Amino acid sequence: EDKVVQSPLSLVVHEGDTVTLNCSYEVTNFRSLLWYKQEKKAPTFLFMLTSSGIEKKSGRLSSILDKKELFSILNITATQTGDSAIYLCAVVIQGAQKLVFGQGTRLTINP
Amino acid sequence: NAGVTQTPKFRILKIGQSMTLQCTQDMNHNYMYWYRQDPGMGLKLIYYSVGAGITDKGEVPNGYNVSRSTTEDFPLRLELAAPSQTSVYFCASTERLAGFTDTQYFGPGTRLTVL
Repeated sequence: EDKVVQSPLSLVVHEGDTVTLNCSYEVTNFRSLLWYKQEKKAPTFLFMLTSSGIEKKSGRLSSILDKKELFSILNITATQTGDSAIYLCAVVIQGAQKLVFGQGTRLTINP
Repeated sequence: NAGVTQTPKFRILKIGQSMTLQCTQDMNHNYMYWYRQDPGMGLKLIYYSVGAGITDKGEVPNGYNVSRSTTEDFPLRLELAAPSQTSVYFCASTERLAGFTDTQYFGPGTRLTVL
């Protein structure tokens, strides 16, 4: 069974801290890994990762994939209260045309 | 482009009632998906479609039905609503090309409560 596990499930930090969110996966046929940010409504796309070791960056957010150890991390530096959200990791299964989502990490940034 | 639109935004059903959640996308995407998200959980795939006339079950299809008569529309039908179907439902679409274009575009969601 294809599985995506995120940790921690919940994280509370102070504004300005740096956080690392984890996503590990066990899937039959990996195609790509996606990170989403979900605030009050629909998830919004952050990154897509397909190759090991290549960091994707967008402002204070960055992400990297390790296809040998089957995990990805999402880093957020100098956190702000606007970063408070649920962060979802999903793996695209090659040939199956579908995504498998992790449970999400609920990140709360306190001022 | 409106992207992915869903109606209704909210709905309360009684046990045993039926309803259809509507989803429309105007991006000419081939692939469309229905997910449900329970409180504090990630998204679980209910059904998906790789093109008009083609649908397939996801992880949690029981109690639901779908159809895909056009590229734009992908309605989700609940025939006999049960309290376990209380959830937020998201529709999404994506366009798969030869390259890695796996980004899914999500609708705003439908919050369904079954009492």
